[in-house]
Amino acid sequence: DTAVSQTPKYLVTQMGNDKSIKCEQNLGHDTMYWYKQDSKKFLKIMFSYNNKELIINETVPNRFSPKSPDKAHLNLHINSLELGDSAVYFCASSQELSRVTYSNQPQHFGDGTRLSIL
Amino acid sequence: GQSLEQPSEVTAVEGAIVQINCTYQTSGFYGLSWYQQHDGGAPTFLSYNGLDGLEETGRFSSFLSRSDSYGYLLLQELQMKDSASYFCAVHTGTASKLTFGTGTRLQVTL
Repeated sequence: DTAVSQTPKYLVTQMGNDKSIKCEQNLGHDTMYWYKQDSKKFLKIMFSYNNKELIINETVPNRFSPKSPDKAHLNLHINSLELGDSAVYFCASSQELSRVTYSNQPQHFGDGTRLSIL
Repeated sequence: GQSLEQPSEVTAVEGAIVQINCTYQTSGFYGLSWYQQHDGGAPTFLSYNGLDGLEETGRFSSFLSRSDSYGYLLLQELQMKDSASYFCAVHTGTASKLTFGTGTRLQVTL
């Protein structure tokens, strides 16, 4: 009954390779995210999709390409991996916020994918 | 852009009360959230303030002052399991966009 699940949990690969991380949520949320957390624990948003549409695209190298086949899935493909890509990548999901009521919709995070580039 | 400041480390004894402050500079501010992250774990949502004032959830409370661009997380009756990193995060723009602070590492001691 995992809410947000991402695979693989660990990914060790060589520089220059291409890899993918998959994420699935069973919470019925319509918004999904990818975050990168570096070795200093700085957590930064990379992408966000709402109902399969890209709504947030931060300054991320073109080597990173998200894909959302449906609103329950958001995958991340990384081409030509570099040493600096070593980090923990978190997938998250939430309902869309209402700007009218200032209410909150918490983001639910997956357990993370620990990517190590050799 | 956005910037958030919070202390890097805080130490407190079990049973005590600790306050973690967060100041922010941002445009299009919508609200302030707090997340907890244990070592090796995922961030988990703790509290949210969309309007000024105090929100209480069990042992945790969070406060926001929009005019001062300031908020804090208050943890009461500290337990060893509260040892973790705590992140403040501002909601901006589309409101779904969260920008996280650098995190405060809380160490609870006996």
